[in-house]
Amino acid sequence: GAGVSQSPSNKVTEKGKDVELRCDPISGHTALYWYRQSLGQGLEFLIYFQGNSAPDKSGLPSDRFSAERTGGSVSTLTIQRTQQEDSAVYLCASSLVDNEQFFGPGTRLTVL
Amino acid sequence: AQSVTQLDSQVPVFEEAPVELRCNYSSSVSVYLFWYVQYPNQGLQLLLKYLSGSTLVESINGFEAEFNKSQTSFHLRKPSVHISDTAEYFCAVTRRYGGSQGNLIFGKGTKLSVKP
Repeated sequence: GAGVSQSPSNKVTEKGKDVELRCDPISGHTALYWYRQSLGQGLEFLIYFQGNSAPDKSGLPSDRFSAERTGGSVSTLTIQRTQQEDSAVYLCASSLVDNEQFFGPGTRLTVL
Repeated sequence: AQSVTQLDSQVPVFEEAPVELRCNYSSSVSVYLFWYVQYPNQGLQLLLKYLSGSTLVESINGFEAEFNKSQTSFHLRKPSVHISDTAEYFCAVTRRYGGSQGNLIFGKGTKLSVKP
């Protein structure tokens, strides 16, 4: 079946602009996660959605980052007023059983 | 809080040699343990996991890892590597109970380079 998909695959933006990254989880998966992979910081957890519960935002690095999940399916990660340090690969994962996560291919964000 | 330490950032080996990628974790609560693999220009894939039961877990492509609670380790091993095993390997943990039990805490990764 279809895996986790993310769009766009690459995004180049100018410092100060807002960006939106999209994640389509595997159908039926109740949990959705966002992570960030960068050279300096490795793989970092950002935010976690589980069903209709309030999301766990404990990994978001600043208030410029936000995410929503509509209808328990698609999720959008928004970064406002992007900075160069936001350049990274943003990974989305989903799971049915709460400890086996399936990852998407990622969105490579470059902030100039 | 949990943390994961992968002791080697890069491991070069020759084809058909054995390899061990080391992983140690720190946690005040019980954890689940995972190894993920990232092939060049690809996404993360689950390689194997330890949830409960036998402390030795195996993957379909010949890797195995053993959970050692006393040493807080989950080292990854393969008796004979192939060129196709060249990839970056990430060890990860998540809490077993309560709170944000779902999010993974990753190590920094180990780049395995298999040479002919």
